[in-house]
Amino acid sequence: AQSVTQPDIHITVSEGASLELRCNYSYGATPYLFWYVQSPGQGLQLLLKYFSGDTLVQGIKGFEAEFKRSQSSFNLRKPSVHWSDAAEYFCAVGATGGSYIPTFGRGTSLIVHP
Amino acid sequence: GAGVSQSPRYKVAKRGQDVALRCDPISGHVSLFWYQQALGQGPEFLTYFQNEAQLDKSGLPSDRFFAERPEGSVSTLKIQRTQQEDSAVYLCASSLGTGLRYEQYFGPGTRLTVT
Repeated sequence: AQSVTQPDIHITVSEGASLELRCNYSYGATPYLFWYVQSPGQGLQLLLKYFSGDTLVQGIKGFEAEFKRSQSSFNLRKPSVHWSDAAEYFCAVGATGGSYIPTFGRGTSLIVHP
Repeated sequence: GAGVSQSPRYKVAKRGQDVALRCDPISGHVSLFWYQQALGQGPEFLTYFQNEAQLDKSGLPSDRFFAERPEGSVSTLKIQRTQQEDSAVYLCASSLGTGLRYEQYFGPGTRLTVT
C-alpha cells in the first residue's frame, strides 16, 4: 500500500518570497502524484499532477512540482507567493493501473505574511 | 458550469441521532467518491460509486455508515446513531471516468459536529 508524508505542518513565508512544500511518498513503483489546495470552507482543487514523462510538472496558479524518484519526493514550488496562496496544501499518491483511490498526506498549512 | 455541491454545509447532531448528507455531482460524471476529513488530517476514502453501482465501500468505518446513489447522479451518505468520533468534514468528489487519470472535482464538504 502507498503512503504519503508531508513533514511540515505549518509553513510561514513573506509575500513575494519563494515557497517549497515537501512531500515524500512510499510506493513500490512510480506512482501517480498530485498536489491539491484547500482554502477555508472550500473543497480541494487540483493544482497539478504527475503520471509519467517530464519530471517537472507545471500547474495552475504559478505552481510547479518536481518528481525525484531517487528521493521518493514530489515537492511543490512557487517562485513568488501571493497573500491569496494562504491555504492548506495536500500531496496525494495513487497506485498505477486500475486504482481510483488517492492516499492523501495530512497537509501543510501555508501562512503568508504581508 | 456548476461544480459539485453538498448540503447541508454544516450539521450539528446529538449523539445517537441519524444524519443524511447530500452530494450533487457534476452532471454526466460517472464516478462519485465520499471522503472523511478529520480535523488536521487529509481526506480519507470512504466509498466509491460508478453510476448507481457502489463498487467499493472498503473505507466505511462501521456498519452505521451507508451510502447510496440510486439513479446514478445525486448521492446520500447516511450515518446512523452518530458518535462523537464521527465529527469530521465529509467531502464528495466526482469525476468523468474511472481511474486516477480522471480529475476528481471536490465539493465544499459538510462539516458534521456530534455533541
